[in-house]
Parts: sequence; C-alpha cells; structure tokens
Amino acid sequence: GNSVTQMEGPVTLSEEAFLTINCTYTATGYPSLFWYVQYPGEGLQLLLKATKADDKGSNKGFEATYRKETTSFHLEKGSVQVSDSAVYFCALSVGAGNNRKLIWGLGTSLAVNP
Amino acid sequence: DAGVTQSPTHLIKTRGQQVTLRCSPKSGHDTVSWYQQALGQGPQFIFQYYEEEERQRGNFPDRFSGHQFPNYSSELNVNALLLGDSALYLCASSPLDRGETQYFGPGTRLLVL
Repeated sequence: GNSVTQMEGPVTLSEEAFLTINCTYTATGYPSLFWYVQYPGEGLQLLLKATKADDKGSNKGFEATYRKETTSFHLEKGSVQVSDSAVYFCALSVGAGNNRKLIWGLGTSLAVNP
Repeated sequence: DAGVTQSPTHLIKTRGQQVTLRCSPKSGHDTVSWYQQALGQGPQFIFQYYEEEERQRGNFPDRFSGHQFPNYSSELNVNALLLGDSALYLCASSPLDRGETQYFGPGTRLLVL
C-alpha cells in the first residue's frame, strides 16, 4: 500500500543550525511528493513539492529532492530561524484525475531556540 | 484572492449531538477534500467532493457525511458525536486539472464533551 514515514520528533535546534527531517515513502507508480508546514494554532500550508524523480522543491530556504532510488524526500534548511518552529508533514499524492488524495506522515515537530 | 475559508473556527458539542462544518474553496477551485486531524497526529482523509458528488472516501463511518453546492462550497456533517470525534477538521481545495496540490483552510476545532 501507500504510506509515508517521517522521523519522529520533537526536533530541537538552536537558531542558525542545519535542519534535516527525514521522509521515506512507499507507493505504487510515481507519486508527487509534498512538504506541508503547520504553525501553532493554524491550518496546513504548502511548503514545497516535487512531481518527478530528481526534482528539487524549494521555498523559504527549505529544500527537498525527490529520490526515487531511495524512495526519500528529506527536508533540509541550511540555517533555521525561531520563526521556523512548527510541525512539518511529508505527504504523497496518489490516484489520478478526480481520484487523487494525499497520504500523510505523522508530522515532525521542530522547535528552534534563540 | 481569498484562500480557503472555514466556519466556525471553534465548536463545542456534547456526545450524541450533530454538527455541520462549512468550507468555501479557493477561487477557481472545484474540488474539496475534508480531513480529520487528531491532536498530535497527521491528517486523515475523510472524503472528497467534485461536481456535487462524493468521489472517494477514507475509512470513516457513515456518521460522517458531506455535501457540495453548485458554487463548490461544501459541508461536513457528523451525526451522533463521540468523544473521539474531537479534532481539527481541515478542508482543502484544488482545481481538478492540477489537483495534486491541495490548499488548506485554517480548520475548525471541534471539542466533544
């Protein structure tokens, strides 16, 4: 079946530290991959996405590369800020046309200290 | 351009009651999906509506039902509420032809006492 596995949190970093949040997936076919972010008390916001192998999604200093050979889509940022404190969700899109839906990881909580 | 909006933002109900949550999709979007997010968990897919019909459904009982209106807005109804229905309910919209990317509303937080 289709599934997403994320590294467990919480992750606690100091400001300007390097961030990696691991995400691996199991899927049939060639899904699109997403990272969403959820700030405290808010809904989900699309952070970045990649639609095919070797694509790199990037936004707000965050990057993730779609690695088909390792079925991974790890999220990275070179220098985190306090404002990056949030929960990060990795997701994959399965299906086609009006049968698409998102399969989610459990989320990884990130806390960045000044 | 307004994004996805949901109402109400918060709701408190008691066991056995019924609740209706509302969602207006982003302009230009015709597909609406609903998710349940329990505290500390990832979202769980409830169902998806397109052209006023339920197109696919997750593993949720029939107590959960929905509707989509001609203007693409949608409602989620939950009957016979249980304590375990307490969660953040998220609505997401997408345009069918680029439906992979879903845009989320802020959610409705439901507490069942």
